[in-house]
Amino acid sequence: EIVMTQSPATLSVSPGERATLSCRASQSVSSNLAWYQQKPGQAPRLLIYGASTRATGIPARFSGSGSGTEFTLTISSLQSEDFAVYYCQQYNNWPQTFGPGTKVDIK
Amino acid sequence: EVQLVESGGGLVQPGGSLRLSCSASGFTFSSYAMHWVRQAPGKGLEYVSAISSNGGSTYYADSVKGRFTISRDNSKNTLYLQMSSLRAEDTAVYYCVKQTLSYDFWSGYDLWGRGTLVTVSS
Repeated sequence: EIVMTQSPATLSVSPGERATLSCRASQSVSSNLAWYQQKPGQAPRLLIYGASTRATGIPARFSGSGSGTEFTLTISSLQSEDFAVYYCQQYNNWPQTFGPGTKVDIK
Repeated sequence: EVQLVESGGGLVQPGGSLRLSCSASGFTFSSYAMHWVRQAPGKGLEYVSAISSNGGSTYYADSVKGRFTISRDNSKNTLYLQMSSLRAEDTAVYYCVKQTLSYDFWSGYDLWGRGTLVTVSS
């Protein structure tokens, strides 16, 4: 099973600032990586797939990069609605494992 | 409206069984692989099971293999998860999710239901 790790566990950011979230896979997943956003009491929402392709309706301030084992989600200018938990997921191998999440909260 | 609506959750005793259903609408259900993902209270996301668009291929996480069965009825636009020999550690919100791209398993999940809570407790 591919183990996904995310850092940091919590990221405190002021509105308008840039946020950089990291995700690492225990072995190469090529570009088969997705990012999700989850707010309290809600289902996750797909932000990025294919490591860098924004899902339909996702604002351009969200961008993904990386391949192999190292990936990054960047939120260029945090808006109030972006404070949430972010999960990465690899779908290169079964099971399609998730990282433990990074909570982005208000500084 | 494009949506997934889960049902069938509830309280069940350890060792019991439950069948979850997921009703899909607003898209061509038969063209997409579907999955179940769960989330224990206050915890992260855990992959459970997958089924191909025509139902011919399935996958299970080791934690549920032999106890859970995923199936679909494309004529009814419905996904199922039959759960048996339930354990306390199966307690979670179960989400029905849709593959982003048609006819594959490799593109993330672009549509999630609201989830249904399964509680395994005596």
